[in-house]
Amino acid sequence: EVQLVESGGGLVQPGRSLRLSCAASGFTFDDYAMHWVRQAPGKGLEWVSGISWNSGSIGYADSVKGRFTISRDNAKNSLYLQMNSLRAEDTALYYCANPVRDYWGQGTLVTVSS
Amino acid sequence: DIQMTQSPSSLSASVGDRVTITCRASQGIRNDLGWYQQKPGKAPKRLIYAASSLQSGVPSRFSGSGSGTEFTLTISSLQPEDFATYYCLQHNSYPQTFGQGTKVEIK
Repeated sequence: EVQLVESGGGLVQPGRSLRLSCAASGFTFDDYAMHWVRQAPGKGLEWVSGISWNSGSIGYADSVKGRFTISRDNAKNSLYLQMNSLRAEDTALYYCANPVRDYWGQGTLVTVSS
Repeated sequence: DIQMTQSPSSLSASVGDRVTITCRASQGIRNDLGWYQQKPGKAPKRLIYAASSLQSGVPSRFSGSGSGTEFTLTISSLQPEDFATYYCLQHNSYPQTFGQGTKVEIK
């Protein structure tokens, strides 16, 4: 059974940093690209960032480019999202996912507020 | 960047109705598109992949069509469990982009 378990969310002040983690199991993690998708309260889905299986190809949404960094550790079956210079508009539920394979975690909530 | 324009943003329909949702890409994306259903408090669930292929386990009343820039999700006979929000996602190139979503409500 595929499992993606996010952690690292919480309440953080504007301008501060947070690092999200995602632990994967139940599939061959290093065969696949992985992504972060977020959903602000009451809003739609927003693709945030993606990374290829070998970290050779990485992409970001314009809204987070230059502030967020995606990475992965295939030896640990883990995906990460380093979020710097956080803003109120980054408040959302963050999903670790491979949408093309229909793999989704349950999400970790990030709240940016003073 | 590729923009995905999804319409309508919401619709009201009755059980048994035929429902059509459209996504338009700002440039060609071949068939690199999926359709997702999301219910409140739940992660999205894929219904259609490669624009027109039905995900295993998804009822056959769901279908997808299109290629290039115009894509459609059709529910042939709306059922009570289909009231949800639907999204398209293009995965042709980075940044990947979701449509704005279509909320299907009970009339």
